[in-house]
Amino acid sequence: IAGITQAPTSQILAAGRRMTLRCTQDMRHNAMYWYRQDLGLGLRLIHYSNTAGTTGKGEVPDGYSVSRANTDDFPLTLASAVPSQTSVYFCASSDPQAGESNEQFFGPGTRLTVL
Amino acid sequence: GQNIDQPTEMTATEGAIVQINCTYQTSGFNGLFWYQQHAGEAPTFLSYNVLDGLEEKGRFSSFLSRSKGYSYLLLKELQMKDSASYLCAVLDSNYQLIWGAGTKLIIKP
Repeated sequence: IAGITQAPTSQILAAGRRMTLRCTQDMRHNAMYWYRQDLGLGLRLIHYSNTAGTTGKGEVPDGYSVSRANTDDFPLTLASAVPSQTSVYFCASSDPQAGESNEQFFGPGTRLTVL
Repeated sequence: GQNIDQPTEMTATEGAIVQINCTYQTSGFNGLFWYQQHAGEAPTFLSYNVLDGLEEKGRFSSFLSRSKGYSYLLLKELQMKDSASYLCAVLDSNYQLIWGAGTKLIIKP
């Protein structure tokens, strides 16, 4: 693994189904993030985690949950998917102690369609 | 509320120069980022400004004026591969990134 990986690459899901999007990083970054990206809108933060064992809500957390059991993994769960959750989901990580820029590194994304 | 504005789309010619503007109103400021995103791909980091002035990195430069809530990304000697969306993002007082909707840059031969 090099950087951040996400799985699946894409998924079509029936409304009401439960779905977990996986995210794994091998850079030992403390901070991890989940964003959704919709056409015409900027990236919107769903949930974040500043360090293993802690999570926080972003701008659009409703309908989503996360966990951070260890440094490397940060799964995002949709408990009961709805069509408005159709989007491209990006996972990102950063190391706030690496330097002043706190640059975020992004995974390749998961394209989710809820029917 | 927090707001970041950038043009939706711009067109430029190969070999030319283009300036993409970004204005912001955020709760606090801890730096401004520019990212590049090719269609169907993840955003990748281009630049970071936290102090006023111009930061140059090869063909790309980024400028910041904190008093005006304004930044621009300058791309020189445009190449076809520069066709992408350019995302402006501000790190707010909670150290969360607030993102603009992005500027789609179209390069014509």
